[in-house]
Amino acid sequence: TAGITQAPTSQILAAGRSMTLRCTQDMRHNAMYWYRQDLGLGLRLIHYSNTAGTTGKGEVPDGYSVSRANTDDFPLTLASAVPSQTSVYFCASSDGDSNQPQHFGDGTRLSIL
Amino acid sequence: GQNIDQPTEMTATEGAIVQINCTYQTSGFNGLFWYQQHAGEAPTFLSYNVLDGLEEKGRFSSFLSRSKGYSYLLLKELQMKDSASYLCAVRDSNYQLIWGAGTKLIIKP
Repeated sequence: TAGITQAPTSQILAAGRSMTLRCTQDMRHNAMYWYRQDLGLGLRLIHYSNTAGTTGKGEVPDGYSVSRANTDDFPLTLASAVPSQTSVYFCASSDGDSNQPQHFGDGTRLSIL
Repeated sequence: GQNIDQPTEMTATEGAIVQINCTYQTSGFNGLFWYQQHAGEAPTFLSYNVLDGLEEKGRFSSFLSRSKGYSYLLLKELQMKDSASYLCAVRDSNYQLIWGAGTKLIIKP
């Protein structure tokens, strides 16, 4: 079973360029999340979606946008990348019940130069 | 503000027992999760506590005291493959996870 698939695995991007990180899940989970993970810090929530057609802002949403057109896909877009967005990005999903864990994709390592 | 505190790094010996502590101050509490993350990989779910007490799952156990804002993860019979970071996360009143920075566990032979 695939679970959650993220693409690309890694990317080097010039500052000012745009980039979309892809995330697809095949578990029919209602909720999906985007986090960034930086050295010495906990995972920080960028955006989330509780169900298809809805999205919400997390702790660090500035510079990022998301869409949730269907249950399976939750892309994250950087409209104009800046070096501070260099990070490892994880997509996660859960079936929405409060006692259910989030399941993570393998991450995208993004470097902005 | 919301805060999750864990030790940055711990070292233990293969075959021994180690306890990783987590203290939290969050706006509301709707459960606490422990995850394992090997270097360069995704976090994977280990345990969930919502009521006070101990949850045992094989070599791993997790304890919660809501009144003290405290949890620990207990790892028994340590194996080299247990070398990883262990992440504590609390679900707050908005049902979002607040994450600690993680504890890097180093296992020595």
